[in-house]
Amino acid sequence: EADIYQTPRYLVIGTGKKITLECSQTMGHDKMYWYQQDPGMELHLIHYSYGVNSTEKGDLSSESTVSRIRTEHFPLTLESARPSHTSQYLCASSVGTAFSGNTIYFGEGSWLTVV
Amino acid sequence: QKEVEQNSGPLSVPEGAIASLNCTYSDRGSQSFFWYRQYSGKSPELIMFIYSNGDKEDGRFTAQLNKASQYVSLLIRDSQPSDSATYLCAVEEDFGNEKLTFGTGTRLTIIP
Repeated sequence: EADIYQTPRYLVIGTGKKITLECSQTMGHDKMYWYQQDPGMELHLIHYSYGVNSTEKGDLSSESTVSRIRTEHFPLTLESARPSHTSQYLCASSVGTAFSGNTIYFGEGSWLTVV
Repeated sequence: QKEVEQNSGPLSVPEGAIASLNCTYSDRGSQSFFWYRQYSGKSPELIMFIYSNGDKEDGRFTAQLNKASQYVSLLIRDSQPSDSATYLCAVEEDFGNEKLTFGTGTRLTIIP
């Protein structure tokens, strides 16, 4: 059972607002990720981090930004939300070994609706 | 562009039967393979991973890997209605590479 928490779970905001999606994990995992998933569609990696002060963009271009100041915390920020940002955002963390590969654990997701 | 292909389904299987889910991948150098289950509106949860050719069993679930043919499959024995979900295949390029490429998922429905 993974201990990774996301807030808010559901958010409806107006266009142009700034929002931050919070993600915290208590497992001490160095690697953390943000995925975006539209209903019924595939997961797309938008950001990842190998550790404190390390952030990289993922395979899908995103207007969001992330920061990693503490190991356990990986917030995602949208400076000016638009309706096209409406989606589910999934935070994840992982521990990898030479024998198991990189096992990713997901949070419960944040559903964002921009109106 | 690394690709992971799955039949989107829906795949309908009678309760008690064996459900077979397939996944192919394009990167021959891929090392680790994962199956996630995702219920509607929920986040994916890990079912099992495999990195060696052959079969790996965990309860009612069996993962099968064939690196030469570049496919990985998941068998669910004695299917239950609670198994109805979307099953995501994910592939890691190297051990500890930190990034997984996910397929679009196969929607499985178990018919009582």
